[in-house]
Amino acid sequence: DIQMTQSPSSVSVSVGDRVNITCRASQDISNWLAWYQQKPGKAPKLLIYAASSLQSGVPSRFSGSGSGTDFTLTISGLQPEDFATYYCQQANSFPGTFGQGTRLEIK
Amino acid sequence: EVQLVESGGGLVKPEGSLRLSCAASGFTFNSYSMNWVRQAPGKGLEWVSSISSSSSYMYYAESVKGRFTVSRDNAKNSLFLHMNSLRAEDTAVYYCAREMVRGVITPGPFEYWGQGTLVTVSS
Repeated sequence: DIQMTQSPSSVSVSVGDRVNITCRASQDISNWLAWYQQKPGKAPKLLIYAASSLQSGVPSRFSGSGSGTDFTLTISGLQPEDFATYYCQQANSFPGTFGQGTRLEIK
Repeated sequence: EVQLVESGGGLVKPEGSLRLSCAASGFTFNSYSMNWVRQAPGKGLEWVSSISSSSSYMYYAESVKGRFTVSRDNAKNSLFLHMNSLRAEDTAVYYCAREMVRGVITPGPFEYWGQGTLVTVSS
């Protein structure tokens, strides 16, 4: 199985900051990577697919990059509604493993 | 508008059984593969199972293989998860989720999610 490792596990940031969340796959997954946002008590929401493609309706302050084994989710100009937990997921092969999550907290 | 509504969760004793349902609307159900993803209390997301649009292919996480069975009824726009021999570690919110791309079965990405149904396994 492909293991997905996210870092950091949590980070304190301020409104207006830029934050990078990284995700590393245990083997080459090309660009088969998705990013999700989850708020407490809610279902995950797809933000980015194919490593860098922005899902329809998602603000342009969210961006994704990377290929192979190393990926990054960048949020530029954090807004209050962005404080949530973020997960990466590899879509290269079954089982579709998720990273352990990164929690964004308000500083 | 795409809607996925899960039901069937509840409290069940260890070694018991439960069937979860997911009612889909707002899209051509028989064109998309469907998935189950779970989240234990306070924990991360775990992919559980996927089924292709015509039920030709099914995949399971190792943790549920042999105990859970995924199925669908395209005539009724419904997805099911039959869970047997339940364990305490199966306690979680179970989400159904729709594949993003029509006509394929992949481990993701999942474009639409239901609100989830809670399964609690406890004596």
